[in-house]
Amino acid sequence: SQKIEQNSEALNIQEGKTATLTCNYTNYSPAYLQWYRQDPGRGPVFLLLIRENEKEKRKERLKVTFDTTLKQSLFHITASQPADSATYLCALDPGGGNKLTFGTGTQLKVEL
Amino acid sequence: EAQVTQNPRYLITVTGKKLTVTCSQNMNHEYMSWYRQDPGLGLRQIYYSMNVEVTDKGDVPEGYKVSRKEKRNFPLILESPSPNQTSLYFCASRLAVSTDTQYFGPGTRLTVL
Repeated sequence: SQKIEQNSEALNIQEGKTATLTCNYTNYSPAYLQWYRQDPGRGPVFLLLIRENEKEKRKERLKVTFDTTLKQSLFHITASQPADSATYLCALDPGGGNKLTFGTGTQLKVEL
Repeated sequence: EAQVTQNPRYLITVTGKKLTVTCSQNMNHEYMSWYRQDPGLGLRQIYYSMNVEVTDKGDVPEGYKVSRKEKRNFPLILESPSPNQTSLYFCASRLAVSTDTQYFGPGTRLTVL
C-alpha cells in the first residue's frame, strides 16, 4: 500500500542554522510533490510545489529537492528563525487533478 | 480578501444528530475538497469535487455526504454522526489543476459524544 513517511519526532535547531526535513514514500509515483506549513489550530498553508522532472526548487529561504529514484524529498529552510517553528507537511499528487495524499508532518522548533 | 471559510469553527454534538459543516470560497475555484486530520494519521481526504455537480469519494468517505450545487459552496454533511467522527475538519479549494495553489480553510473542530 502507499505510504508517506515524515519524521514524527520534532526537529529542534538553533536560530540561524539550516533545517532539513525529510519526506519518504513507497508504492507511489507522484507527478507532483508539495510542502505545506501548519501552525497549531490553523489550516495548512501551501509553500512549494515540485514536479517529478525537477530536481530542485527554491523560494526565498526555502529549498526543496525531489529524488524519484530514492523516492524522497528534502525540504530545507536556511537561516532559520523562531517564526519558522511549525509543523511541515509533505503531500504527493499523482496528477489528474483529484488526489492529494499527505504525510503526518514533522514539527520544527527553532530556538534562540 | 481571497479565502476559504468554514462554519462552525467548533461543534460539540451527540451521536445520531445530523449536522452540516459549511465551506465557501470566494476565488472562483473549480476544485474543492474535504479532509479530516487526526493525530498520527495526518490529513485524509474525505470527498472532493472537480466542479459543480461533480463529486467523488476520497480515502475515508464512509459516514459523510457532500453536495456541490454552486461553485463557491461545498458543504459536508454527517447524517448520523458517531464518536469516531470526532476530528478536525478542513475544507480546501484550488483553481483547477494540480499545479494550482491549494488553499485551506481555518478548520472545524467536531466532537461527537
